[in-house]
Amino acid sequence: DAEITQSPRHKITETGRQVTLACHQTWNHNNMFWYRQDLGHGLRLIHYSYGVQDTNKGEVSDGYSVSRSNTEDLPLTLESAASSQTSVYFCASGPYDGTGNTGELFFGEGSRLTVL
Amino acid sequence: AQKITQTQPGMFVQEKEAVTLDCTYDTSDQSYGLFWYKQPSSGEMIFLIYQGSYDEQNATEGRYSLNFQKARKSANLVISASQLGDSAMYFCAMRATGAGSYQLTFGKGTKLSVIP
Repeated sequence: DAEITQSPRHKITETGRQVTLACHQTWNHNNMFWYRQDLGHGLRLIHYSYGVQDTNKGEVSDGYSVSRSNTEDLPLTLESAASSQTSVYFCASGPYDGTGNTGELFFGEGSRLTVL
Repeated sequence: AQKITQTQPGMFVQEKEAVTLDCTYDTSDQSYGLFWYKQPSSGEMIFLIYQGSYDEQNATEGRYSLNFQKARKSANLVISASQLGDSAMYFCAMRATGAGSYQLTFGKGTKLSVIP
């Protein structure tokens, strides 16, 4: 079955360290997204990509970067982790192209990051 | 820009009763889609139901229905015959339809607790 997986599921790191969260999907979706979830804020968009070599900033992109070298993967990098980036991170993908299907997103199981 | 407002941080409902979770939205787009997701305590995001802005009928999926009132910009989720397994966070989300805008904007969520 096609799926979307995130790793690691849990990570503890120190302030100032670089951290990369992996996201891999096997649906061959063009569109991939990273959201963070914080109590009282719901899900907020960090970065997104509509295809290989395409990346875009979302609502809360400061301190984060992504790259898209193939269809399957969209790794999220925290260049210098800060305590404010302690959160649960969700990767999502979807096939939507402006026509046809409803375009719901398929989510990974989340990665819980703690920055000490 | 799009905005989703969920005004009920928490709701309680008696098992087997119906419950309505409120969602209002704001957008300048003429064509858009509205979504509801469920997040149980295990953390995964589960797609429940979709409503297109030009759909004449309210969407239904099993015990879930979406009460769509376009003029009032509301897209409330109705859960009939609540079950203990319905206890979860519920997120309303939207996206403009048409080319070039495929990300979802989420509300802050409503925590539903079903009482036996």
